[in-house]
Amino acid sequence: KAGVTQTPRYLIKTRGQQVTLSCSPISGHRSVSWYQQTPGQGLQFLFEYFSETQRNKGNFPGRFSGRQFSNSRSEMNVSTLELGDSALYLCASSFREKTEAFFGQGTRLTVV
Amino acid sequence: GENVEQHPSTLSVQEGDSAVIKCTYSDSASNYFPWYKQELGKRPQLIIDIRSNVGEKKDQRIAVTLNKTAKHFSLHITETQPEDSAVYFCAAPYSGGYNKLIFGAGTRLAVHP
Repeated sequence: KAGVTQTPRYLIKTRGQQVTLSCSPISGHRSVSWYQQTPGQGLQFLFEYFSETQRNKGNFPGRFSGRQFSNSRSEMNVSTLELGDSALYLCASSFREKTEAFFGQGTRLTVV
Repeated sequence: GENVEQHPSTLSVQEGDSAVIKCTYSDSASNYFPWYKQELGKRPQLIIDIRSNVGEKKDQRIAVTLNKTAKHFSLHITETQPEDSAVYFCAAPYSGGYNKLIFGAGTRLAVHP
């Protein structure tokens, strides 16, 4: 069974631009969560989607948004990029609530 | 509120020694506590988890204990090996349900041969 796939693996953007990251969950998993990982803040929850509906949202500004498609693939978008958005963005998929979250390799975003 | 505190932030042990990492959580309704290991440059991976109806769970050299009254849980690694060197994260679910996890800040474990 294929794992969680995130694309692209690396991105370099300039301030003010926008970016879209993609996540394909494990087949059969309908829950997809996104986390931001930085050295100073650890793993911070961004949002969770289940069957195309956002169920939870973390404490991030409205520049961060996401969506989920009918095949459970998910995208997150960050608009008007700031230097502080530089981070590793991790996607995780789960089969059921409060079961193992399987993480993707992440997308490393660098904003210059 | 949502808060998971993790200690220590760094831990250095000699190969063969034991390592203990402790976490406390704030939401008394939390009932699922996973531990993730993240090696350098790799994704976090679940190594063990415990549910609130169990006080202790073991898997070979790894064990997790849970004290619901005190709202803390701990990871114990015995007979540490160099390949145990990694960052370990504890987590607790958000009380609002679903799959939102609140992570601790992480513990960087170094096992020296």
